[in-house]
Formats: sequence, structure tokens, C-alpha cells
Amino acid sequence: GAGVSQTPSNKVTEKGKYVELRCDPISGHTALYWYRQSLGQGPEFLIYFQGTGAADDSGLPNDRFFAVRPEGSVSTLKIQRTERGDSAVYLCASSLGQGLGGYTFGSGTRLTVV
Amino acid sequence: AQSVTQLGSHVSVSEGALVLLRCNYSSSVPPYLFWYVQYPNQGLQLLLKYTSAATLVKGINGFEAEFKKSETSFHLTKPSAHMSDAAEYFCAVSVRDDKIIFGKGTRLHILP
Repeated sequence: GAGVSQTPSNKVTEKGKYVELRCDPISGHTALYWYRQSLGQGPEFLIYFQGTGAADDSGLPNDRFFAVRPEGSVSTLKIQRTERGDSAVYLCASSLGQGLGGYTFGSGTRLTVV
Repeated sequence: AQSVTQLGSHVSVSEGALVLLRCNYSSSVPPYLFWYVQYPNQGLQLLLKYTSAATLVKGINGFEAEFKKSETSFHLTKPSAHMSDAAEYFCAVSVRDDKIIFGKGTRLHILP
């Protein structure tokens, strides 16, 4: 596609529920990144995929968070047993992954846990 | 590990005045450096990037930044501020295409 697409744009869920956030990267981009941006903060790294595999998942805060990219394109970030502290904007970005620097970000999914 | 420090969470300048947003980085290897802008209720947009070519980097909307290795700095400047420049600006660092680490951001206010 022309840009990085994230769905849904907004998600409200109850505490304890499971949510999935989807990211559709730019066609041909092999690298895909998930970030979380809390109010008034800079984006915080969560996980980075190169192709289908997670190259670095050191930013995932705990085992309630998991992400997959089974075919090396679309990625899903999954959050189990959501907590109010998970409320944030979840950003996805993609790049060519060739050391050229700079990502293209999606518009994000605003997750609100009530 | 890489990191960036943005000096000043809020900066106010008058319309037409010089914009200077400060960023210092820490990296054990030659870094890539970026400035991103985020307008209210919008996503992150790349302003400019330094990838070990020219040390003075020109970006969009009249912004530029200079990589100074001796000062470990990558400050963002614009000669004349416009009202439309009001936004949140993030400095960021990465090593090749590894994860990008963002600073906490500087909110730029433009005074009429």
C-alpha cells in the first residue's frame, strides 16, 4: 500500500479483555516495528521484526504482550488481560531494512482500557 | 546502548524568530540520527535524518540540523518560525536499522 495502515484507529476495551491491533506495512518493507506512546511521552520501542522473525523483542513490557508476523507482511500485536496502564497510542512503522535509516509510521491505534 | 536527551520539554519562540531545538545523543558506534515531528492528533512524520554523509542535513519545511560529533549534538534549527510549526518534535537515534530510540520530545509554541 501507499503507507503504513493500522486498524482499528481507536479501540476501547474493558479491563481484563484481550485485544488485537493490526499493522499493514508498506509493500516490500521487510522491517516492521511496534512502539507505544503514552500521553506526553516519546514513542517507546516494543518489538522489531525482520521478515517473519522477531529480531528484538526487548521492549515488550511483560508476557501479556505478544506480536506475530507470520507471512512477513501484516503484523498483529496482541495484549492479554488488558490493564488500565496499557492505555496508549500503539504505533507501527516499517522500513526497507537495508540500513538506509528512517521509518514510515502509521497513524496509530489509540487503545483505551476502562 | 543508544539514547538521546532533548533539552527543554517546552520551547516558545515568536513568529519570525529563530527556532532552536536541542538534542544530544549517546552511542558507542556511529549513529543514525533523526528528527520527527508530530502535529496534534496526527502520526509521526520524518523531518530529516543523518546517516553519516553530510553533517549539515536539510529537511522539510525549512528545517535543518547539524551533526557535531565533538559535541555529540544534533540540534534542529529553522531561521524563521511560522505559526504552522507549532507541534511536538522528537529527536531519535539508531544504529543502522536496529530499533530507533526516541527522546521525550519538545513541544514548540509559536507566539504571534
